Amino acid sequence: QLQLQESGPGLVKPSETLSLTCAVSGGSITNSNYYWGWIRQPPGKGLEWVGSIYYSGSNYYNPSLKSRVTISVDTSKNQFSLKLSSVTAADTAVYYCARQRGLNAFDIWGQGTMVIVSS
Amino acid sequence: QSVLTQPPSVSGAPGQRVTISCTGSSSNIGARYDVHWYQQLPGTAPKLLIYGNSNRPSGVSDRFSGSKSGTSASLAITGLQAEDEADYYCQSFDSSLSGSVFGGGTKLTVL
Repeated sequence: QLQLQESGPGLVKPSETLSLTCAVSGGSITNSNYYWGWIRQPPGKGLEWVGSIYYSGSNYYNPSLKSRVTISVDTSKNQFSLKLSSVTAADTAVYYCARQRGLNAFDIWGQGTMVIVSS
Repeated sequence: QSVLTQPPSVSGAPGQRVTISCTGSSSNIGARYDVHWYQQLPGTAPKLLIYGNSNRPSGVSDRFSGSKSGTSASLAITGLQAEDEADYYCQSFDSSLSGSVFGGGTKLTVL
């Protein structure tokens, strides 16, 4: 069955760029029925959608993060990535990658990876 | 504050029925965009519970049901069990923001 696995540094310094990758296994990222998204959850708080991307590269971002977010896809490696620039402590969160049915529900999630922004 | 509004907490005794509301606006739920619900057990990733307002993914108990009317949606849980104690989130699409939006989450306590 399809699985997603996040990877990347668990500690990022303020003002630097957070970079995460989500590896997709058990299925193709080029499936035309799905987008691929990033969602984050600060400690003790709720879920916040970060952005989503289609295998063709078409993407859409949370307006509140749009100036700092880049999501890209690598179909040859069956993975997609998140870059968040100029991070502050407010970006400390568990970051999840997930498969999204069209622009609808996120039906399969990775286990999440904790990223702490601190010097 | 979240675009979709949920009560911070609800509670019920084992065997009872509880509902969790999700209130939106004319740019999301009221614009006929579907509502989806997730269950997040402590320390785990969210799990899709209801999609397309009222559909259950394979493997989800029929004790969980969803409905939508106007600018609001609801998740109902019948026959409450201790294992249902979790955080629940609603999610939809917002045309003004051109993106997905989540509710603030509701913590369910089984008394």
